[in-house]
Parts: sequence; C-alpha cells; structure tokens
Amino acid sequence: AQSVAQPEDQVNVAEGNPLTVKCTYSVSGNPYLFWYVQYPNRGLQFLLKYITGDNLVKGSYGFEAEFNKSQTSFHLKKPSALVSDSALYFCAVTPAGNNRKLIWGLGTSLAVNP
Amino acid sequence: DGGITQSPKYLFRKEGQNVTLSCEQNLNHDAMYWYRQDPGQGLRLIYYSQIVNDFQKGDIAEGYSVSREKKESFPLTVTSAQKNPTAFYLCASSMVISSGRGNEQYFGPGTRLTVT
Repeated sequence: AQSVAQPEDQVNVAEGNPLTVKCTYSVSGNPYLFWYVQYPNRGLQFLLKYITGDNLVKGSYGFEAEFNKSQTSFHLKKPSALVSDSALYFCAVTPAGNNRKLIWGLGTSLAVNP
Repeated sequence: DGGITQSPKYLFRKEGQNVTLSCEQNLNHDAMYWYRQDPGQGLRLIYYSQIVNDFQKGDIAEGYSVSREKKESFPLTVTSAQKNPTAFYLCASSMVISSGRGNEQYFGPGTRLTVT
C-alpha cells in the first residue's frame, strides 16, 4: 500500500538551532514529494517539492528538503529555526504519472522555543 | 492562502440541517478539491473536480455533495446524512488535476463547521 509516514508527532527545537522534520514514503515508481505548512486555524501553504533533478530542494522561508531514494525519505530542514516557524508540517507524496491524488502524512507539530 | 477564498470562517448548525460551504478561486486553476481535517488524522479527500460540470468522489464522500457549475467555484454541501460533520474543511486548487505531474495544490483559509 502506498503511504507516507511522519514518525514524530512533535518536534521541539531552540531558536537558532537547526531543525529537521522527518518524512518517509512508500509508493510504486518514482515519487513526487511535497511539504506544506499550516499555521493555527489557517489553510496549508506550499513550501517546496521534489519532482526530479537535484536531490536538495530549496523552498520558501529558508526551508530545504533532501530527497533520499535509497532511504525513501524526504526530510525537511532549516539551518536556523525561528519562533515564527512554529506550526504544523505536512509531507505528501504521489507516484509520478497521471495520478490524481496526494497521499498525506498525519503532520508533525514543530515548536521553536525562544 | 493565495487566491482562494472560503466563507464563512466559522459556521454553526443544528443537527439534521444541510449546510453549504463556499469556495472560490481566481487562480484560473482547472482542478479543485475538498478536504476534511480532524485532529491527528491529517487531510482526507472528500471530492475533487477536474473540470466544470465534472467531479469525482474522494476517500470519504458519504454524506457530502458538490457542484462545479463555474470554473471559479466549488461549493460543498454537508448533508444531514454525514454522521460526524464537525470538522475543519479545506478547499484547494491546482493547475491541472494530476498531482503526478508535480502540480502543487493551493489552499484556502478553511471553514470550521460545528454541528450540535
């Protein structure tokens, strides 16, 4: 079965420290991978995506993610966390091709402490 | 939240009443989606539409209905048949239907529906 796992319900990090939010996936064929962020009582905002090419993808607000095919992972990273990065982060995946639906992770709550 | 509007932001209804949630986009996107979000359950797809006058059931369509009479609009009706309607509802759109072509979805701000 195709799936996405975000193994940590919550991640806590001190402001200024690097942060990592983990995502692993299981899909048939080549994956297209996405990260979204959701602030409280708001809709989701697109952060970045991996389609093809360079395994390191850079996105909005200083975030980046690294696609690792052998480990089937797409972890979200930021070199220096801000308190304003505190939010809910979702990973999503779909097999490349004419697929109509995204498969969503359950989300990881990131808390950046001042 | 891009060019997608959802109204109202909060909605309260009595059990047994149908209620319609609005979703409008000015992004000229062909595809539109409705998701339901419950705590700890991520996003679940209710309905999606590829083109005007066409829509498909998602994973949890029972108790919901949609229409797509205009490209810009994709209203969702929560009917009295939906057993647990209280949730946060999110509308999204993308350039074309196929997420497998790498098209990201853009989300509206959401409507929080409470049914008592």
